[in-house]
Amino acid sequence: DAGVTQSPTHLIKTRGQQVTLRCSPKSGHDTVSWYQQALGQGPQFIFQYYEEEERQRGNFPDRFSGHQFPNYSSELNVNALLLGDSALYLCASSFFSGKQNTEAFFGQGTRLTVV
Amino acid sequence: LAKTTQPISMDSYEGQEVNITCSHNNIATNDYITWYQQFPSQGPRFIIQGYKTKVTNEVASLFIPADRKSSTLSLPRVSLSDTAVYYCLVGDPVKGKLIFGQGTTLQVKP
Repeated sequence: DAGVTQSPTHLIKTRGQQVTLRCSPKSGHDTVSWYQQALGQGPQFIFQYYEEEERQRGNFPDRFSGHQFPNYSSELNVNALLLGDSALYLCASSFFSGKQNTEAFFGQGTRLTVV
Repeated sequence: LAKTTQPISMDSYEGQEVNITCSHNNIATNDYITWYQQFPSQGPRFIIQGYKTKVTNEVASLFIPADRKSSTLSLPRVSLSDTAVYYCLVGDPVKGKLIFGQGTTLQVKP
């Protein structure tokens, strides 16, 4: 049973460019959340997708957008990249039973470097 | 959202029991307490979750007093491979949003 998989594992982009990160949730999971983790800091919640809609959003600008597909996989898009966007981007999946979410499983992350 | 406070770092030796305490004074009625472990350049890994009293699984125990304003993660007989950052989180599982703090860096020495 594959866990949460993210691609690519590493990425280097130039300021002003756009980037798309991808995530496949753990089998049986329907909810995907994205987190940004700067070096030496805890992960920061970006947003959460459920039933192909953004259900919750953290304190991130509109440059950060996402999408969830019918197969529950998800993409994170970041436009107009800034140097400060350099971080480890983590995807987490869980299952929403209708009452609550199960424990979240995280992927290995995508290390984004903006130069 | 309830904020958590935990020690920045802790040292221990192999074979010892390690207790990491987290304070969450404004925890809400619907909030659960969850602990995650993270190794460098990896995603966090779920350790344990509880609402009140004591929870135990194959890797750890979680102690939560009656007022739920704090919690203690107990790791029995740590090994070098337990060196990692440990995060205490408080949140409503209905929403599923995880709020991470700075975490506690545990260094296990031989």
